[in-house]
Amino acid sequence: EPEVTQTPSHQVTQMGQEVILRCVPISNHLYFYWYRQILGQKVEFLVSFYNNEISEKSEIFDDQFSVERPDGSNFTLKIRSTKLEDSAMYFCASSGGTGGKDTQYFGPGTRLTVL
Amino acid sequence: AQRVTQPEKLLSVFKGAPVELKCNYSYSGSPELFWYVQYSRQRLQLLLRHISRESIKGFTADLNKGETSFHLKKPFAQEEDSAMYYCALSGPVGGGGNKLTFGTGTQLKVEL
Repeated sequence: EPEVTQTPSHQVTQMGQEVILRCVPISNHLYFYWYRQILGQKVEFLVSFYNNEISEKSEIFDDQFSVERPDGSNFTLKIRSTKLEDSAMYFCASSGGTGGKDTQYFGPGTRLTVL
Repeated sequence: AQRVTQPEKLLSVFKGAPVELKCNYSYSGSPELFWYVQYSRQRLQLLLRHISRESIKGFTADLNKGETSFHLKKPFAQEEDSAMYYCALSGPVGGGGNKLTFGTGTQLKVEL
């Protein structure tokens, strides 16, 4: 069964550095998402992406964040200048195959630690 | 604003006992509700969605619009049900995919 994959599984970075988190969505899906979960808190929506553009973003997704689908398979989240409070688990999700637009399938997550 | 509330952080039951994980929502439109499960060290997996009205792994959930609830139930808990359960709401309906709003999750622990 196809799955969403994410790399790396764990990323450690210094405050102020740029990080790129990578995701490979399920191949026939059309809708892509990023969520994050700060330790001990709920999973929060960051951004959705469809037809090569952002369709919705949350208040968390400020100018320091950007997303890109550089080729037919990858979907990336870039944090331009990381802050301590960006430390979290970041989940990629995709939808739009046979499960329909609303059924989102999640990747295993990337744990980002900002020092 | 849409909101999902899961009042219990931890629910501990004995094997064979009934399970009910509570979920209440706040949403102005017609909601799409989901239960996701996360087993230890695994990814979030869709357990069930209210539209399909199916039973997965013995779990069911009924949408009660009057009480704005979508509680997850199982008549007899199994040890392998121990996991983190998240209730989520999808909406509003848009052309570019629907964001999920999650509750804080309930850790279910099934004891022998």
